[in-house]
Amino acid sequence: KAGVTQTPRYLIKTRGQQVTLSCSPISGHRSVSWYQQTPGQGLQFLFEYFSETQRNKGNFPGRFSGRQFSNSRSEMNVSTLELGDSALYLCASSLGTTNTEAFFGQGTRLTVV
Amino acid sequence: AQSVTQLDSHVSVSEGTPVLLRCNYSSSYSPSLFWYVQHPNKGLQLLLKYTSAATLVKGINGFEAEFKKSETSFHLTKPSAHMSDAAEYFCVVSFGSGNTGKLIFGQGTTLQVKP
Repeated sequence: KAGVTQTPRYLIKTRGQQVTLSCSPISGHRSVSWYQQTPGQGLQFLFEYFSETQRNKGNFPGRFSGRQFSNSRSEMNVSTLELGDSALYLCASSLGTTNTEAFFGQGTRLTVV
Repeated sequence: AQSVTQLDSHVSVSEGTPVLLRCNYSSSYSPSLFWYVQHPNKGLQLLLKYTSAATLVKGINGFEAEFKKSETSFHLTKPSAHMSDAAEYFCVVSFGSGNTGKLIFGQGTTLQVKP
């Protein structure tokens, strides 16, 4: 069974640009969550989508947005990039029911210059 | 507010000796608790999970953790460390139904294993 796939693995963008990251969950999983990992702040929850609806949201500015498609694939968009957005962005998929574990992709390493 | 605290940012052990990584949580609800491991330039891998069944949970690669409600702790242990165990370990909490997609991570503990 294929795992969680994130594309691209690496990105370099310039301040002010926007970026879209993609996540394909494990087949049958309806929940996709996004996390930002930085050395200073650790792993922080961005948002979760379940059956195409945002179910949970973390404390990030509106420049961070996402969506989920009918096949459960999800995209995350960051507009007007700032240097501080440089991070590893991790996607996790799960069945989305109580107490089920999340499976993580290898992440997209975003560098903003 | 829900939170999770990993008491050690860095733990160093010798190969073949026991490992103890400490984690405390704060919650008004019954939590689901997890330990994840992250090797360099890799994603997060689930080691084990607690979901209110047995308080002693066995995971992969010889790791186990014990849920102690009175101490609000969920420490990770392994009887004998292996060089391949060197990695970053995260204690993670999920709170209640309806919030299953939101995981709260501890700050992580770097495990160093010396030959």
